[in-house]
Amino acid sequence: KAGVTQTPRYLIKTRGQQVTLSCSPISGHRSVSWYQQTPGQGLQFLFEYFSETQRNKGNFPGRFSGRQFSNSRSEMNVSTLELGDSALYLCASSFSGEKLFFGSGTQLSVL
Amino acid sequence: EDKVVQSPLSLVVHEGDTVTLNCSYEVTNFRSLLWYKQEKKAPTFLFMLTSSGIEKKSGRLSSILDKKELFSILNITATQTGDSAIYLCAVFSGGSNYKLTFGKGTLLTVNP
Repeated sequence: KAGVTQTPRYLIKTRGQQVTLSCSPISGHRSVSWYQQTPGQGLQFLFEYFSETQRNKGNFPGRFSGRQFSNSRSEMNVSTLELGDSALYLCASSFSGEKLFFGSGTQLSVL
Repeated sequence: EDKVVQSPLSLVVHEGDTVTLNCSYEVTNFRSLLWYKQEKKAPTFLFMLTSSGIEKKSGRLSSILDKKELFSILNITATQTGDSAIYLCAVFSGGSNYKLTFGKGTLLTVNP
């Protein structure tokens, strides 16, 4: 069974640009969650989607958005990038939302 | 706001030592507590605990949950250099606040 796949693995952007990250969950998993990981803050919850509906959202500004498609694949978008958005963005999938399986992440650097 | 606190933040031991990692939490609508190991990028699942006082074991790793005192411990016996990683504790809360809240992790370094 293939694991959670995130693309791209690395990304370099400049301030003010926008970025879209992609996540393909494990086959059969309908829940996809997104986390931001930084050395100082650890893993911070961004949002969770289940069957194309956002079930919960963390305390991030509106520049961070996401969506889920009918095949459970998910994308997250960050608009008007800031230096502080530099982080590892992790996607995780689960069957019901509880036991998460993580992808290898997208390392975003904002210059 | 849900809170998960791990201690210590970092730990350096020698191969063969036994270590205990701690995780305390304050969440509404507790459903489960999970432990993950993060070596490079992707955290990998270790344990999920839902019932108090029942130990989960996998080889040299074991974990137990105390729902009355709101904490969990992860034990690693006879540590090996391959155990070097960040160990993450997370608590799953249900109800309207359906999410997994992570602690900041414990960085374990096992020296030969």
